[in-house]
Amino acid sequence: DAGVTQSPTHLIKTRGQQVTLRCSPKSGHDTVSWYQQALGQGPQFIFQYYEEEERQRGNFPDRFSGHQFPNYSSELNVNALLLGDSALYLCASSFGLGGNEQFFGPGTRLTVL
Amino acid sequence: ILNVEQSPQSLHVQEGDSTNFTCSFPSSNFYALHWYRWETAKSPEALFVMTLNGDEKKKGRISATLNTKEGYSYLYIKGSQPEDSATYLCAFDGSSNTGKLIFGQGTTLQVKP
Repeated sequence: DAGVTQSPTHLIKTRGQQVTLRCSPKSGHDTVSWYQQALGQGPQFIFQYYEEEERQRGNFPDRFSGHQFPNYSSELNVNALLLGDSALYLCASSFGLGGNEQFFGPGTRLTVL
Repeated sequence: ILNVEQSPQSLHVQEGDSTNFTCSFPSSNFYALHWYRWETAKSPEALFVMTLNGDEKKKGRISATLNTKEGYSYLYIKGSQPEDSATYLCAFDGSSNTGKLIFGQGTTLQVKP
């Protein structure tokens, strides 16, 4: 079992561009959550997908959107990138909703210049 | 705004020392408290998921306690080893059907040989 995988590992974009990050959940998991970790802070919840629908959303603007596919993998899209979007983006998978253990991927480091 | 605080922010100990950190969280609407260990360049690794007031969990030399009434959890490491060097994150889950985790900023532990 490869666990949670994310791609790409690193990404450099310029302001105003759009970016797509990808996540494959751990085998047997059907729920994917996305977190943003800015420098010096703990991860912040962006949103969660279950049964191909966004179920919960954190305090992030509409520029942040996502998708979940029938195979439970997920994408995070960010439009009109700002310098402040530079961060590590973590994906976590779990089984079902609720307080089940979440398994994290290694993250995608996004740098916006 | 829900706040999760961890202290200290960083800690340097000698090999063999025992140490502990604190996680403070809202005492209302509690569902679960998660502890993660995050080594540099790796994925955050789940240590414990704690749900019951008074809960104590142990994994090897690492243990954790939970007080939901006063809103705190302690993580203890007995006889610290250099391989324990990592950032330790706690995350609060305040609802029974979302799994939306609110993270503290972490405690970074450095164990010197």
